[in-house]
This record gives sequence, C-alpha cells and structure tokens, in this order.
Amino acid sequence: DIQMTQSPSLLSASVGDRVTINCKASQNINKYLNWYQQKLGEAPKLLIYNTNNLQTGIPSRFSGSGSGTDYTLTISSLQPEDFGTYFCFQHNSWPTFGSGTKLEIK
Amino acid sequence: EVQLVESGGGLVKPGASLKLSCVASGFTFSDYWMSWVRQTPGKTMEWIGDIKYDGSYTNYAPSLKNRFTISRDNAKSTLYLQMSNVRSEDTATYYCTRVGPWYFDFWGPGTMVTVSS
Repeated sequence: DIQMTQSPSLLSASVGDRVTINCKASQNINKYLNWYQQKLGEAPKLLIYNTNNLQTGIPSRFSGSGSGTDYTLTISSLQPEDFGTYFCFQHNSWPTFGSGTKLEIK
Repeated sequence: EVQLVESGGGLVKPGASLKLSCVASGFTFSDYWMSWVRQTPGKTMEWIGDIKYDGSYTNYAPSLKNRFTISRDNAKSTLYLQMSNVRSEDTATYYCTRVGPWYFDFWGPGTMVTVSS
C-alpha cells in the first residue's frame, strides 16, 4: 500500500490567513492526488482532483500543487466557512488517505 | 442534485452480520462504479472496496476481502455492503461514494456502525 503522510495534523489560523497543508506519499503517485474537506457530521466534499484541478463550485481561493511524492493544498485567504478537516487521497493504486488536518480558528 | 443516503447502521455484537444500504438519486446509478469507505472514531479513512457499474466486478481492500461483500441493484439504484463476523475494529462511520472520473466525487452522510458486546 502507498502510505500518505499528511501534515500538520492540527492547524490554527485566522480569517484572511494563507494556509498550506502538505501530503507526502511513500512512492510516486503521478499526480493522482485529491483533496477533500469534511465538516463535523457531514459528508466529505471533493475540493481538488488530480493535484491541481478545482472541482466545480469550489472557490478559487483553494488551489493544489505538487508532483511525484509531495503535494500541497493552499487556501489563499481563509474564510469562516473553511474551518473543518482536510484529507488528501491518492488513487494511483489501491486508494489510500492521509490522516487528516483539522483546521481551526485561532 | 446527486444524493447518496446510507442506512442500516447501529449497534451489533462481535461475530454478527450486518447489511448496509445506500440509495442513490440525481444521476444514472447504472453508469457509475460505486464504493464504500469507512472512517474510524479516530478519523482514519479506509477504502473498503468498489463495484463496477453493472455489478460484474468488485475490488476489495485485502484486509477486508474475506468478510465484506459489495453488491448493487441497479433497478433500485441501491448499493449494499454485507459485513460478516464483525469485530470491534469495524466500529466506524460507513460512507457510500460515487466513483467519478477523479475517483470519489460524491459521498453520502454516512451510517454509523458500533461493534460491542
């Protein structure tokens, strides 16, 4: 299995901040990396697919980058509705998830 | 609007069996692969497996293959997860997901399964 190491596990930030979340794969995943947002008690929502493609309806303040084994989710200016937990996910081979980053209000 | 609604969760004793359902709407169910994913109380996400759009092929996470079975009824737009010989480590929220071009593109709200004596 491909292991996904996500960091940080907890991130405190303020509205308006620029935020980055990282994911490192145990081997090359060829940009088959998605990012999901999950709010408490809700279904996860797809934000970005295949590293840097914004899902329909997702605000442009979300962006993704990376290649090989290292990937990043960036929120350019944090909004109140962005707080929650974020997961990376690879689908280059048997699907596996990162451990999640809880983004909370500072 | 794509909607996935799971049901069938609850409290179950170790060694028992349980069948989860997921009713889909808002899209042509028979056009899509579907999948089950679970999230433990510690928030770890684990892919369980998926099923081809016509039900003719399934994939499973190796660690779950012998106890979990995924099936579907396209006439009812319903996905199923049959769980057998459940263990405490199967305690989780179980999500039904649609497999789109970018893998999991829509998720249901989940159904919680608690395995305890």
